[in-house]
Amino acid sequence: EPEVTQTPSHQVTQMGQEVILRCVPISNHLYFYWYRQILGQKVEFLVSFYNNEISEKSEIFDDQFSVERPDGSNFTLKIRSTKLEDSAMYFCASSPRTSTDTQYFGPGTRLTVL
Amino acid sequence: GESVGLHLPTLSVQEGDNSIINCAYSNSASDYFIWYKQESGKGPQFIIDIRSNMDKRQGQRVTVLLNKTVKHLSLQIAATQPGDSAVYFCAETFPGGTSYGKLTFGQGTILTVHP
Repeated sequence: EPEVTQTPSHQVTQMGQEVILRCVPISNHLYFYWYRQILGQKVEFLVSFYNNEISEKSEIFDDQFSVERPDGSNFTLKIRSTKLEDSAMYFCASSPRTSTDTQYFGPGTRLTVL
Repeated sequence: GESVGLHLPTLSVQEGDNSIINCAYSNSASDYFIWYKQESGKGPQFIIDIRSNMDKRQGQRVTVLLNKTVKHLSLQIAATQPGDSAVYFCAETFPGGTSYGKLTFGQGTILTVHP
């Protein structure tokens, strides 16, 4: 069964460094998402992406964040200058045809900012 | 405003019992609701969904009930097994406006199944 994959599974970085989290959505899916989950808290929406542009973003997704689909398979989340409070699990998700189709989540990347 | 919340943060049951996990939502415009299961160290896994034109939907051992009058969602798991132990999240989304599939998640309920 097709699944969303994410790399790396765990990323440790120093505060102020740039990180890129990578995702390979399910092929033929058209909508892509990033969510994050701070330890012990609920999953929070960051951004949705369709047709090579951001469709919607939350207040968390400030100028330090960016997303990109550099080729036909990868979908990346970049944090330019990480802060301690960026430490969280970051989940990528994709959905097939419309924004109200089921979203399938990847296993997540645990980001630790020291 | 938009919010999805859960009545019970933890639920402990015996293997073989039926489990009911509840969720309240506040946005009456929401038209699509999903239950996700999250095991430790993993991403949310889709369990079952329901659209607002329905009040009940059944899957394999799971049933979702939607009561739009009181904005309440529940997940029923029949014959709960130890492998069902996880955190269960409800999530909602609504069409139109500036929403492009953004899911709003509830806090989660920890389900523990004792053998």
